[in-house]
Amino acid sequence: QQQVKQSPQSLIVQKGGIPIINCAYENTAFDYFPWYQQFPGKGPALLIAIRPDVSEKKEGRFTISFNKSAKQFSLHIMDSQPGDSATYFCAAIISGGYNKLIFGAGTRLAVHP
Amino acid sequence: DAGVTQSPTHLIKTRGQQVTLRCSPKSGHDTVSWYQQALGQGPQFIFQYYEEEERQRGNFPDRFSGHQFPNYSSELNVNALLLGDSALYLCASSLGFLQNIQYFGAGTRLSVL
Repeated sequence: QQQVKQSPQSLIVQKGGIPIINCAYENTAFDYFPWYQQFPGKGPALLIAIRPDVSEKKEGRFTISFNKSAKQFSLHIMDSQPGDSATYFCAAIISGGYNKLIFGAGTRLAVHP
Repeated sequence: DAGVTQSPTHLIKTRGQQVTLRCSPKSGHDTVSWYQQALGQGPQFIFQYYEEEERQRGNFPDRFSGHQFPNYSSELNVNALLLGDSALYLCASSLGFLQNIQYFGAGTRLSVL
């Protein structure tokens, strides 16, 4: 029940394409869903986050879509660029108390010029 | 404003040895969480410290222990190292134990030979 399942494992798109990364969860107590971006040799950096009372959130070229009834959420990267090539992790957390992030397994994205 | 800093960057140990990793949280943050990231996997929660006490622990054996100092910095200790302990160890800091937003350091790459 604590798992977050992420797909696909890897993704290749051309510059300007719209990669989509999907995540699913079981525990309905999760109430905050961040996405992290990680470059090789670096720690994860917070990209964008959403709460389940919102169906969509946009920040720049990054959009999260959230389907509470299906317990699924996804990240879309508009007009993808080679600089977006990185590993993306979805995560979930239960607010209040002592917070631990539950991460998906990650998606390695390559954006070709 | 310095972000989360971790030391050392890389470490090589042999089986059975002990290791100490260090973390300084982002300025103003008082909560430190430690995660283990195996190659090709998402980070796994080890434990979290707030007010110098371990507040929550993930599914890791007692060989993993930690400490938080009055200045909020933290150490992760691993005893009796196993080959399977080879991973990137990440420290994340946040403000207050209720804060969902965690900022990660670049990590310490531990190799156990």
